[in-house]
Amino acid sequence: QVQLQESGPGLVKPSETLSLTCSVSGDSISGYYWTWIRQPPGKGLEWIGFFSSSGNIFYNPSLKGRVIMSGDATNNRISLTLSSVTAADTGVYYCARGLWSGWIGELHPWGQGTLVTVSS
Amino acid sequence: DIVMTQSPDSLAVSLGERATINCKSSQSVLDSSRSTNLLAWYQQKAGQPPKLLIYWTSTRKPGVPDRFSGSGSGTDFTLTISSLQAEDVAVYYCQQHYTLPYTFGQGTKLEIK
Repeated sequence: QVQLQESGPGLVKPSETLSLTCSVSGDSISGYYWTWIRQPPGKGLEWIGFFSSSGNIFYNPSLKGRVIMSGDATNNRISLTLSSVTAADTGVYYCARGLWSGWIGELHPWGQGTLVTVSS
Repeated sequence: DIVMTQSPDSLAVSLGERATINCKSSQSVLDSSRSTNLLAWYQQKAGQPPKLLIYWTSTRKPGVPDRFSGSGSGTDFTLTISSLQAEDVAVYYCQQHYTLPYTFGQGTKLEIK
């Protein structure tokens, strides 16, 4: 079965760039849509955007052009970059796959998430 | 953006009793071409990632107990747990995937009374 595992620095300084990776095992990243979601401590879910290796990408406009998503088919992983971070970007970041090949909407499975803290 | 509003924010129900969570969207999420509402429900237990329970408003993901059911259409949707079990304690989120950016409700925390 497919498994996702997020990884990243844990602590990022304000104004710097956050880089996260979602490593996928058990299936290829090709043919699927991959979504990033984040969750501030004690709060709800925020949909960040999606990426597919076919070239379809969408970022939530709320992130004001600070986000870039990409994929590495050779190593079967998805990446998220968020620039000019502030304390408001602190939270658990999840990657998730579209339920079916070629389908964006419903998300399954999810990774366990990685906590990112923005602080000097 | 479509705003998803859940009610109540928190809910305490006795074991074996029915739990009902509502989700209202600021616009219709009906996909006329598929004749289906693009609305999903997730369950998030403490310290875990969310888990997909229901998609297309009312279709249970395989493996999800049949005490979970979804209903609704257009802008008003409901998640019902027919007989609450201890393992159902969690925060529940609705999500629309009809219009980008996709959006989640604020969550409803379900506890045992």
